[in-house]
Amino acid sequence: AQTVTQSQPEMSVQEAETVTLSCTYDTSESDYYLFWYKQPPSRQMILVIRQEAYKQQNATENRFSVNFQKAAKSFSLKISDSQLGDAAMYFCAYSGGSNYKLTFGKGTLLTVNP
Amino acid sequence: GAGVSQTPSNKVTEKGKYVELRCDPISGHTALYWYRQSLGQGPEFLIYFQGTGAADDSGLPNDRFFAVRPEGSVSTLKIQRTERGDSAVYLCASSLSPSSYREQYFGPGTRLTVT
Repeated sequence: AQTVTQSQPEMSVQEAETVTLSCTYDTSESDYYLFWYKQPPSRQMILVIRQEAYKQQNATENRFSVNFQKAAKSFSLKISDSQLGDAAMYFCAYSGGSNYKLTFGKGTLLTVNP
Repeated sequence: GAGVSQTPSNKVTEKGKYVELRCDPISGHTALYWYRQSLGQGPEFLIYFQGTGAADDSGLPNDRFFAVRPEGSVSTLKIQRTERGDSAVYLCASSLSPSSYREQYFGPGTRLTVT
């Protein structure tokens, strides 16, 4: 079974600084997708960034980028120039093979200090 | 366009009662998913619909839980004989299918409290 592990229950960062959230996963599939979702107190899960396993290039979306290490099964999220609005729970998620469901980690609570 | 909507936003019910939770997916999305999120945890998969049929219901915890999607759009999650352990946020998501990107778009969830 696929598992997703987020080892940092909480992280904090100063406004305008950079923070990296960690995620590791376990799978026997060769074709899969990895995601980072943001969940603010409103509960709405918002897709931040997506990475296809077959792509060697790390995905980037504005201030958000990932470091995808396929051999190590690691998928970290880097947030640059952190803003107060980035404060939220961040979930790493996996979808692979013929199974379309998302498997989530337990999340990392990010606090942004002014 | 309109996103995924879920009703009600909050539901309080007594132990043993029956509840229905509704999900309206994004127009044109043929895949629909239900997840359950307990306090302090990530969402856990319950069931996945492709069109009207349940393609994967392996996450439903027991036979008190049932979901339908009769016309391939709106879905209803039904919980019979509710228990206090059913208290959680129930999230619905939809996606284009077939999708080569597997992106799922989530609704705001229904917070269910069983007293």
